[in-house]
Amino acid sequence: DVKVTQSSRYLVKRTGEKVFLECVQDMDHENMFWYRQDPGLGLRLIYFSYDVKMKEKGDIPEGYSVSREKKERFSLILESASTNQTSMYLCATSGGWRGNTEAFFGQGTRLTVV
Amino acid sequence: KQEVTQIPAALSVPEGENLVLNCSFTDSAIYNLQWFRQDPGKGLTSLLLIQSSQREQTSGRLNASLDKSSGRSTLYIAASQPGDSATYLCAVRPYSSASKIIFGSGTRLSIRP
Repeated sequence: DVKVTQSSRYLVKRTGEKVFLECVQDMDHENMFWYRQDPGLGLRLIYFSYDVKMKEKGDIPEGYSVSREKKERFSLILESASTNQTSMYLCATSGGWRGNTEAFFGQGTRLTVV
Repeated sequence: KQEVTQIPAALSVPEGENLVLNCSFTDSAIYNLQWFRQDPGKGLTSLLLIQSSQREQTSGRLNASLDKSSGRSTLYIAASQPGDSATYLCAVRPYSSASKIIFGSGTRLSIRP
């Protein structure tokens, strides 16, 4: 079974802090994604990566950056956390370069910025 | 621009009924369509993946169909149980941007005992 592990289930951070969300997968998948999910807005893509050190902006990249130094790990960084970044964050992976493979998600990180 | 729609947004049925969840998409140029389940406060669990060349996939009490030409997919759940209560989301991988996954907003399903 594919395992996608997010480092924390719940996080509480203060406004202005630098926040790191980590995602690790064990299936050697090329593609990794970060989404946020908010009531009424659904899942919105923040960033995705199709290879080590490669990244592309999604639909809402402002206020976020990412890092992929190793194939199995994809980090989401909130440079200076703000209250409007309070949300559920979901990491996903999929294999293959043509995108025709199954996507798998982690358990989610509920981030609260106070 | 690809858009994915799920109607209704919420559905409540008594236990034991067979039910169908609907998903529609605007652009038929897709690699695949995937159905997920999400329990409150949790991540998404993959249920079924249908490749663009396939018409349906089955897993246990679940059966998903795909009609690319009409831009529709259905998820059929047989003999529903209270444990099936969750939000069900469909998602497509478009040719135009295979690295992206485009999600519907989900159908919140409640099975009454």
